[in-house]
Amino acid sequence: AQSVAQPEDQVNVAEGNPLTVKCTYSVSGNPYLFWYVQYPNRGLQFLLKYITGDNLVKGSYGFEAEFNKSQTSFHLKKPSALVSDSALYFCAVRALNNAGNNRKLIWGLGTSLAVNP
Amino acid sequence: DADVTQTPRNRITKTGKRIMLECSQTKGHDRMYWYRQDPGLGLRLIYYSFDVKDINKGEISDGYSVSRQAQAKFSLSLESAIPNQTALYFCATSDKAGTYNQPQHFGDGTRLSIL
Repeated sequence: AQSVAQPEDQVNVAEGNPLTVKCTYSVSGNPYLFWYVQYPNRGLQFLLKYITGDNLVKGSYGFEAEFNKSQTSFHLKKPSALVSDSALYFCAVRALNNAGNNRKLIWGLGTSLAVNP
Repeated sequence: DADVTQTPRNRITKTGKRIMLECSQTKGHDRMYWYRQDPGLGLRLIYYSFDVKDINKGEISDGYSVSRQAQAKFSLSLESAIPNQTALYFCATSDKAGTYNQPQHFGDGTRLSIL
């Protein structure tokens, strides 16, 4: 079965330290990978995506993510965390088979990031 | 102004009542979606529409119905609300162009409580 996992329910980091939010996936075919952020009382906002090309993808608010095909991972990173980065982060994957047929978007359960002053 | 607007933002109602949640968008996107979010369960797709004449069930459509009144409007109805439909509901849109690599754009949600 195709799936996406965010192994950590919560991540705590100190302001100014680097942060990593983990995502691994299991799909057939080439994956299209996405990261979204949800601030309190708001809808999800798109951060970045990997479709093809460079394994390091840069996105909004200074975030980046590294696609690792051999480890089937797409971890979200930021070199220096801000208190305002505290939010809920979702990873999602869309898999295509070789025929290019549509596949649904599969969502992770989310990781709560807390950045402490 | 928000590109994807959901109304109401909050609603408290009683078991058995009919409820409609509305979504309108100014992004010009063909595709629209309804999700519910529950703690610990993430996002689950209820219904989606790829254009005005195309409506599809998601993974948890039982107890829900939808109407795509226009390209810009997509409403979700609970015909007879029950307490386990208490959740945060999101509408989202995406562009048809490029199909698989397009991100989704979300409204700010409707918090629905059914007593």
